[in-house]
Amino acid sequence: ETGVTQSPTHLIKTRGQQVTLRCSSQSGHNTVSWYQQALGQGPQFIFQYYREEENGRGNFPPRFSGLQFPNYSSELNVNALELDDSALYLCASSLVGGGPGETQYFGPGTRLLVL
Amino acid sequence: DAKTTQPNSMESNEEEPVHLPCNHSTISGTDYIHWYRQLPSQGPEYVIHGLTSNVNNRMASLAIAEDRKSSTLILHRATLRDAAVYYCILRDVAYNFNKFYFGSGTKLNVKP
Repeated sequence: ETGVTQSPTHLIKTRGQQVTLRCSSQSGHNTVSWYQQALGQGPQFIFQYYREEENGRGNFPPRFSGLQFPNYSSELNVNALELDDSALYLCASSLVGGGPGETQYFGPGTRLLVL
Repeated sequence: DAKTTQPNSMESNEEEPVHLPCNHSTISGTDYIHWYRQLPSQGPEYVIHGLTSNVNNRMASLAIAEDRKSSTLILHRATLRDAAVYYCILRDVAYNFNKFYFGSGTKLNVKP
């Protein structure tokens, strides 16, 4: 059973650019959630995808968008990067319908630095 | 979503028990209490969860107050590898049950 993987591990962009981060879910999981974690803070929920559709969104602007593919892998896209977008971006996969004991499995994250 | 309150940091000696508190006074009847921890340079990992009764697993124990307005994560014998930020999270399984709201967590330091 493979865990959640994310790529790239680190990324440097300049303000105004666009970025795409990738996530491969744990085998058998059909739901993926994305979180942003600023330095010294807890992760903040961005959005969740289930069956290739957005299924819940946190307080993030539309320039944060995502995709989920038939194999349940996922992308997070951020347009018009701002300095405050510098953070660790975490992907978490889970199985909808797994019951109340269902947990989220997190990847190691992608560290994004916007200059 | 109901909020949780945790101390910013705690310190423990190696091989001693650690009790990490969490207050959730606005918890609803359908909120599950989850604990995750985040080791340095890693993503969060599941520790334990519960609804009303105390729970035990190989990693820790979860003690839930009778009124459910607070809970305590218990590490029975802290090791250096337990040094991490511990998050107490409420998850409403009535809807959007995969969405977690993290607070700032408790940073646990373990002294040798």
